[in-house]
Amino acid sequence: SQQGEEDPQALSIQEGENATMNCSYKTSINNLQWYRQNSGRGLVHLILIRSNEREKHSGRLRVTLDTSKKSSSLLITASRAADTASYFCATDDRWGGGNKLTFGTGTQLKVEL
Amino acid sequence: GAGVSQSPRYKVAKRGQDVALRCDPISGHVSLFWYQQALGQGPEFLTYFQNEAQLDKSGLPSDRFFAERPEGSVSTLKIQRTQQEDSAVYLCASSTPTGNTEAFFGQGTRLTVV
Repeated sequence: SQQGEEDPQALSIQEGENATMNCSYKTSINNLQWYRQNSGRGLVHLILIRSNEREKHSGRLRVTLDTSKKSSSLLITASRAADTASYFCATDDRWGGGNKLTFGTGTQLKVEL
Repeated sequence: GAGVSQSPRYKVAKRGQDVALRCDPISGHVSLFWYQQALGQGPEFLTYFQNEAQLDKSGLPSDRFFAERPEGSVSTLKIQRTQQEDSAVYLCASSTPTGNTEAFFGQGTRLTVV
């Protein structure tokens, strides 16, 4: 079963704008990861944030984690048409074995020129 | 290899047919995972190997699903007597066994059961 939900389910923005996606989860976690999936292709890892971290940056990506609320957000700044994809959060839960990931339902991002 | 390789990329099977999906993980990656992704959904865990040992198969939906990794490298996911509800993308991922590391995914095999 899915760990949680992502919000919004779909997001359409103009190139150059920022995109924010939210993820909620249910259990205690070791870390939370964000992945991107282009249509019909595999998942690409974007960023990993550990349970003892609150914020992390990578290029145009900024991820926050609030373990008290069991939620995370992914911010993509200065979006580009190439950022059009589905974005998934995935949790590596504290009691799971060896990086077993539980994925959210995903946010479909469309960046228009 | 350079990445996780899965074959075939696409498979159309008649209902009742058996299928075998192959995964070549990144060389040296001890952990290997299979996920099932239905249309419009996130991937769902099927099974996990550490080397040749299948440590978790809690996500396999029925006894028609079977996975193996006999030499701790290549893995095969087999589905017997396929049903229409088995139609999905099957993703393989590999990683190092230590915690807090990313998983590397293959392109997936899109299975359509007709």
